[in-house]
Amino acid sequence: QVQLQESGPGLVKPSQTLSLTCTVSGGSISSGDYYWSWIRQPPGKGLEWIGYIYYSGSTYYNPSLKSRVTISVDTSKNQFSLKLSSVTAADTAVYYCAQSDILTGYYSGWGQGTLVTVSS
Amino acid sequence: DIQLTQSPSFLSASVGDRVTITCRASQGISSYLAWYQQKPGKAPKLLIYAASTLQSGVPSRFSGSGSGTEFTLTISSLQPEDFATYYCQQLNSYPRNFGGGTKVEIK
Repeated sequence: QVQLQESGPGLVKPSQTLSLTCTVSGGSISSGDYYWSWIRQPPGKGLEWIGYIYYSGSTYYNPSLKSRVTISVDTSKNQFSLKLSSVTAADTAVYYCAQSDILTGYYSGWGQGTLVTVSS
Repeated sequence: DIQLTQSPSFLSASVGDRVTITCRASQGISSYLAWYQQKPGKAPKLLIYAASTLQSGVPSRFSGSGSGTEFTLTISSLQPEDFATYYCQQLNSYPRNFGGGTKVEIK
């Protein structure tokens, strides 16, 4: 069973860049069987899909965030990362990393989530 | 983008009740729909994929149906551990949008 774990600063100042890393254990990011995604959830609100990366480096981002998002992968460390630039208070959320099956698309594996607060 | 509308957004029910949640897509998505359960402070958990396929380990009281633009999640006999928020997600195209959620609370 693959496990995912988010890490990164819990507090980011407005206008700065939010950076998070997801470490995958119990399986290889390079297996080719999954897309590796970021999903966020503002406090008390619903889920917002941010984007995915494949082990090859190909990506797809939510058009609503595309201008500010970069997702990258480090196969040697079995990690993938999220960068969100020019953050505001509206980016305060629990950020989840997750894996989705490339054939069916469903999200069967999730990290526990990490709260990132944007505040000065 | 495909938008998903869940109804109701909130429902109050008793243990043993039959509960039905609806998810409507803004355009046809065939059977490319998943349902998740989320409890406070926890990550979502996959319940159903391909509209009606039960994920391994999920109790059989959960079932899903529908295709095209209208889908339902049914809990045949609500148990105490089922009080949570439920989300649908379309897997037909990107971005992989979620519905707004349905919170199921104890009556």
